[in-house]
Amino acid sequence: NAGVTQTPKFQVLKTGQSMTLQCAQDMNHEYMSWYRQDPGMGLRLIHYSVGAGITDQGEVPNGYNVSRSTTEDFPLRLLSAAPSQTSVYFCASSRRTPFPGFGGDTQYFGPGTRLTVL
Amino acid sequence: AQTVTQSQPEMSVQEAETVTLSCTYDTSENNYYLFWYKQPPSRQMILVIRQEAYKQQNATENRFSVNFQKAAKSFSLKISDSQLGDTAMYFCAFRGSQGNLIFGKGTKLSVKP
Repeated sequence: NAGVTQTPKFQVLKTGQSMTLQCAQDMNHEYMSWYRQDPGMGLRLIHYSVGAGITDQGEVPNGYNVSRSTTEDFPLRLLSAAPSQTSVYFCASSRRTPFPGFGGDTQYFGPGTRLTVL
Repeated sequence: AQTVTQSQPEMSVQEAETVTLSCTYDTSENNYYLFWYKQPPSRQMILVIRQEAYKQQNATENRFSVNFQKAAKSFSLKISDSQLGDTAMYFCAFRGSQGNLIFGKGTKLSVKP
């Protein structure tokens, strides 16, 4: 069980470039999400998905796209990178809805991707 | 909208002593979950402890325990017998019916030898 994996671990982009951050989980979790972490801001939700084919926006979705074609994968796309998107990005997964007593409500996090946009 | 507030940006404690990190939250829901995550310098988010709001008993995991006051919407984390490896950022988080995690801004804990 690899849990939640993210690639790459580090990335440097120039303003205007596009790229995709990869996220995969092998726990058959329906719920997946992307967060960004900035100093002094905690983690903020970018996009999330409650199952294959279903995605929705979080608190800070602008400049990012997602899709969910399979249960396992949830890539995050930066369409035209901007310096304001310099951050650490985390992917997380869990069961779809909290089930009392089953622990399914716990979100498991990937190791993060540090992105710098110059 | 739900909010989570951690009022202590930084704290320090001597090794082997006890420290309490504060967290308050705001919600209109009755059933929800609360979490404390630890983020060491490695950056990995590690679940420390979780509390289900419908359970009155405070959660405990070894040296970590919570003081959950539902009416006051307070969820503090107590670390007993602090160890150097406890040095990290600690995030309080709320998860309600929508399923999304809402984080506080974190408390940086330093354990001093």
